Amino acid sequence: KNEVEQSPQNLTAQEGEFITINCSYSVGISALHWLQQHPGGGIVSLFMLSSGKKKHGRLIATINIQEKHSSLHITASHPRDSAVYICAARGSQGNLIFGKGTKLSVKP
Amino acid sequence: SQTIHQWPATLVQPVGSPLSLECTVEGTSNPNLYWYRQAAGRGLQLLFYSVGIGQISSEVPQNLSASRPQDRQFILSSKKLLLSDSGFYLCAWGRGVPEQYFGPGTRLTVT
Repeated sequence: KNEVEQSPQNLTAQEGEFITINCSYSVGISALHWLQQHPGGGIVSLFMLSSGKKKHGRLIATINIQEKHSSLHITASHPRDSAVYICAARGSQGNLIFGKGTKLSVKP
Repeated sequence: SQTIHQWPATLVQPVGSPLSLECTVEGTSNPNLYWYRQAAGRGLQLLFYSVGIGQISSEVPQNLSASRPQDRQFILSSKKLLLSDSGFYLCAWGRGVPEQYFGPGTRLTVT
């Protein structure tokens, strides 16, 4: 079993839909990251969470430390949101332990 | 501001050939440096990390090696590439806080 599990693996949505991507982890963490990987491979850090909730534009990330669960929400989704979204937990060495990613495709 | 560079952006190499990927960071000193690999259909995997010049820790046994000849330079190498070495290689830096910053990546295809 992976230390960081994401669901779903693939997600197709219509433009305007509300999207939720889930992440569960089994390790103790000091921070959890949500990353966005574009088709060319480049990665952008969206959020770093240690508790509660963060919002940036149409993106919202939440974390429940007790349940070891985090969610990434996208409101009013748009085709430009199509990307792979990766959840990553910070390990003891400062490295990140990655989930396998959720491939999101938003259709116009 | 800090910037991280990786090159080359793409590389096609035959099996058995050597490899050298370079990563440099600007605008910061004494960063922690990381090499990650993303194989097809798999998540990112930490390969090496370094907390200082000449200090390399390996997370996964493999035919790759890493070196840090200068404070802001991190090199990933192989003497003989395998087909299984194909993937997307990302360099990242951090400063002891959870945030990590990723380079643009190198897509390696071993033929």
